[in-house]
Amino acid sequence: NAGVTQTPKFQVLKTGQSMTLQCAQDMNHEYMSWYRQDPGMGLRLIHYSVGAGITDQGEVPNGYNVSRSTTEDFPLRLLSAAPSQTSVYFCASSADRRMSSYNSPLHFGNGTRLTVT
Amino acid sequence: LAKTTQPISMDSYEGQEVNITCSHNNIATNDYITWYQQFPSQGPRFIIQGYKTKVTNEVASLFIPADRKSSTLSLPRVSLSDTAVYYCLVPGYGQNFVFGPGTRLSVLP
Repeated sequence: NAGVTQTPKFQVLKTGQSMTLQCAQDMNHEYMSWYRQDPGMGLRLIHYSVGAGITDQGEVPNGYNVSRSTTEDFPLRLLSAAPSQTSVYFCASSADRRMSSYNSPLHFGNGTRLTVT
Repeated sequence: LAKTTQPISMDSYEGQEVNITCSHNNIATNDYITWYQQFPSQGPRFIIQGYKTKVTNEVASLFIPADRKSSTLSLPRVSLSDTAVYYCLVPGYGQNFVFGPGTRLSVLP
């Protein structure tokens, strides 16, 4: 099992460019989510999905789009990159869409470090 | 909306036991409390999860009092490799996990 795989590891964009951060998991998890982490801070939820075809917004969704066409993949799209989106982005998955259940621990990828100039 | 409060940072020496307490005063009856560990340049890693009383695994113990308004992560005999940020999580926004700033643990030789 590879777990949660994120690509690319590093990316530099110019303001206004668009790009897609890829996330794939091979654990057949229903729940997937995207977080961003800024220096010295905790993780903030961007978007999440409780299954294929279902997505919803988290705390900080503006400037990002997601889709979930398969169970395995959950790409994050930056529509028009801004310097405020410079951050480390983490994708996570969980076996259970019910976050309070015993089976719900999150499995994280190793992140994509994005710089927008 | 459940929210957690933890110390921002802690220092310890190798071989000592470290206890990190998290306050969560608005936790729902059926909510589990989960702790994660994050090393630099890596994603958070699940450590332990509990509902009440005490849970122990090969890495840590988790103590939860009867009122469930707080929980304490206990790391026995820490080593330099335990230097990391530790997050306490409870379900929050839309039944999703809400991460606070965590506790930065520095283990000194």
